[in-house]
Amino acid sequence: DAKTTQPPSMDCAEGRAANLPCNHSTISGNEYVYWYRQIHSQGPQYIIHGLKNNETNEMASLIITEDRKSSTLILPHATLRDTAVYYCLAWAGSYQLTFGKGTKLSVIP
Amino acid sequence: GAVVSQHPSRVICKSGTSVKIECRSLDFQATTMFWYRQFPKQSLMLMATSNEGSKATYEQGVEKDKFLINHASLTLSTLTVTSAHPEDSSFYICSARDLGGQRNTEAFFGQGTRLTVV
Repeated sequence: DAKTTQPPSMDCAEGRAANLPCNHSTISGNEYVYWYRQIHSQGPQYIIHGLKNNETNEMASLIITEDRKSSTLILPHATLRDTAVYYCLAWAGSYQLTFGKGTKLSVIP
Repeated sequence: GAVVSQHPSRVICKSGTSVKIECRSLDFQATTMFWYRQFPKQSLMLMATSNEGSKATYEQGVEKDKFLINHASLTLSTLTVTSAHPEDSSFYICSARDLGGQRNTEAFFGQGTRLTVV
């Protein structure tokens, strides 16, 4: 699975959009971009995934660049409950998920 | 989404005793389950992979005799920490996948178990 790079931490004001970047310059053609988050002392929670096209669900939007070397997870209206560590993974669904260090998002009142 | 239930959520045990953690897939058959460990302020580290009906595969540096994994059915895997020591205190998380099913590209996680060895 390709390596991903994320900023270690970010702050976002409550009610504003949170834009979390991820670099995956070595991603291969069959690898999807997956996003999970982990709220303190809980297991990871699936957010969204995509291959080439932008994706949106009830939790977030995923914007993938045309060259697929980077992506951005967008939480349109961040709430305090969105404070968590967000993990971006490049995964072909082959076997286990390998987690990096993620981005610690702090939503500030 | 699919549900993976992990039990207990929190356990405190004495040094030298054994602790069993259960991981159940509630609405799908988990052909493969993964066990992760997470120390404070660190990411999840894969410990082992178990396939139903066969022996678990352990990652380098994980003692198979200390961390016993059983995957006897398609809905249940257990992790037993034997002769626990304080350094085994950690957050243990299971993950389940249905590699033979329609949702074979998704991974579902349990709520995690906080183990404290005193």
